[in-house]
Amino acid sequence: SAVISQKPSRDICQRGTSLTIQCQVDSQVTMMFWYRQQPGQSLTLIATANQGSEATYESGFVIDKFPISRPNLTFSTLTVSNMSPEDSSIYLCSVSGTAEAFFGQGTRLTVV
Amino acid sequence: GNSVTQMEGPVTLSEEAFLTINCTYTATGYPSLFWYVQYPGEGLQLLLKATKADDKGSNKGFEATYRKETTSFHLEKGSVQVSDSAVYFCALSGSAGRRALTFGSGTRLQVQP
Repeated sequence: SAVISQKPSRDICQRGTSLTIQCQVDSQVTMMFWYRQQPGQSLTLIATANQGSEATYESGFVIDKFPISRPNLTFSTLTVSNMSPEDSSIYLCSVSGTAEAFFGQGTRLTVV
Repeated sequence: GNSVTQMEGPVTLSEEAFLTINCTYTATGYPSLFWYVQYPGEGLQLLLKATKADDKGSNKGFEATYRKETTSFHLEKGSVQVSDSAVYFCALSGSAGRRALTFGSGTRLQVQP
């Protein structure tokens, strides 16, 4: 299993600003995943973060808006840039084991 | 690509009623299938899983059987409790493993006393 710590757990931000979310895993993993859960919606994959290479973004998500860092095998950050109210969501970090995925508690972001 | 289709909610049941939440999927190869639960104000928790055809996942009275012939993974519970009120997500991962999950839209379950 894997234990994932995500910070901050929640934040209220002004539009136009940026927020960086941190994700720490208690074991080394090759891939880390970032998801977004908009209010009342399911989870949508934003990007896959690989250590030592650029993140791979899903359709509809771009690096300028959601830059990701992956400095080592246990840590990643996701930045939500130039925020607007439409970015208000829960952002979740995840890693996959051999048979299941593990999730952080999520970051509840409200943009005002 | 992979996709998961879940029955829409909300589903409202009385305590001790039988629950079924339908889930069907489209995938190449042999995906692993999951049910995750999200209780109000909490994060995602794995409820149960099945990694190959005909496997039955079970936990906390919930069950789901991996049916390859019908590409389904329906969630069932014989007698629901108020504490089961939550949002339930069906999900799959690619056959290569260690990949991101594809989620269904989620089904909100409300159990009334």
